[in-house]
Amino acid sequence: AQSVAQPEDQVNVAEGNPLTVKCTYSVSGNPYLFWYVQYPNRGLQFLLKYITGDNLVKGSYGFEAEFNKSQTSFHLKKPSALVSDSALYFCAVRDIDAGNNRKLIWGLGTSLAVNP
Amino acid sequence: DVKVTQSSRYLVKRTGEKVFLECVQDMDHENMFWYRQDPGLGLRLIYFSYDVKMKEKGDIPEGYSVSREKKERFSLILESASTNQTSMYLCASSFMTGGNEQFFGPGTRLTVL
Repeated sequence: AQSVAQPEDQVNVAEGNPLTVKCTYSVSGNPYLFWYVQYPNRGLQFLLKYITGDNLVKGSYGFEAEFNKSQTSFHLKKPSALVSDSALYFCAVRDIDAGNNRKLIWGLGTSLAVNP
Repeated sequence: DVKVTQSSRYLVKRTGEKVFLECVQDMDHENMFWYRQDPGLGLRLIYFSYDVKMKEKGDIPEGYSVSREKKERFSLILESASTNQTSMYLCASSFMTGGNEQFFGPGTRLTVL
């Protein structure tokens, strides 16, 4: 069965330090991977995606993510965290089981707190 | 920019009431989705639709139904609201092809008393 795991419920980082939010996946075939951010009481906003090509994907708000096929990971990174980056982050992978490629499989989310 | 709108940001209903949540997207997306979000449980798919009048059950369809009469509009219906349906409801849409990234509305926080 396909799945996505975000092994950390919460990540704390000091402002100005680099941040990493982890995501691992299990899918058959080539994965389509996504990161989303959710600010308090808001819907989810798309940050970036990996479909094919360069393993380092750049997205919105200075975020990037590194696809690692051998480790089946897609970690979200930012070189210098801002207090305004504090939010809930979700990783997702396209569901390709049974020929259904419309749905996404979601991780449970990681709460990022950036301390001033 | 893709815009997905939801009819209410906050809604309070009583147990047993029929509740309609509406979602409209303006990007001619084929796919539309309804999720509920609860602390610690992430996003759970209730129903989705890949075409007008077409629908498929998601992971937690019990107690819900949907309607898609026009391509841009996808409605979630709680036939008889119960307290365990108190939650944040999120609507999303996406193209059928391409990267399939989903675009979300602002959410409706529903409280059932």
